[in-house]
Amino acid sequence: NAGVTQTPKFQVLKTGQSMTLQCAQDMNHNSMYWYRQDPGMGLRLIYYSASEGTTDKGEVPNGYNVSRLNKREFSLRLESAAPSQTSVYFCATTPEGVSTDTQYFGPGTRLTVL
Amino acid sequence: AQSVTQLDSQVPVFEEAPVELRCNYSSSVSVYLFWYVQYPNQGLQLLLKYLSGSTLVKGINGFEAEFNKSQTSFHLRKPSVHISDTAEYFCAVRVQGAQKLVFGQGTRLTINP
Repeated sequence: NAGVTQTPKFQVLKTGQSMTLQCAQDMNHNSMYWYRQDPGMGLRLIYYSASEGTTDKGEVPNGYNVSRLNKREFSLRLESAAPSQTSVYFCATTPEGVSTDTQYFGPGTRLTVL
Repeated sequence: AQSVTQLDSQVPVFEEAPVELRCNYSSSVSVYLFWYVQYPNQGLQLLLKYLSGSTLVKGINGFEAEFNKSQTSFHLRKPSVHISDTAEYFCAVRVQGAQKLVFGQGTRLTINP
């Protein structure tokens, strides 16, 4: 039972390049989230998916797109990377998507944009 | 909109000393409150949460937190810390009925031998 997995663990991009961060969960959870973590700013929500087939913007969606491919997978795409997108990205899930739920986090992807 | 403020960005303490990590929130409606811990190079994991009932909540690894509605605070405490408690701690709030979890800026707890 792997929980929440993220690939890749590390990535270095040049400005303007594109890439997709992958997230998969084997806990049969309904809701999935993408956050970015920057020093002194905590975690900020980029996009979330309350259930399969739906996605919604979070606090900082500009420059990102997402796809909820199926119940297990939720990917985050950077179409044209910028240095301001250098960050650690975390995927998280919750069982039912209700406000009392605990969030379960993946190990993170450390992205550097040069 | 709700917000969370963690008053200390870094807290150094000696091993076996008590510690308190402070968290204040702002919201015009009822909220649920959470503390998450992030060990070095790992994702976050839940330490404890307050949903309702007793204002003193106990979590994993000997941590506890007290919800104070009048002071809009949810401070985290441990009576005696260990080296293994070295981590970053995040307070978070979610409005009842909402999907989004709002995090504070984080407090880095460093334990010195």
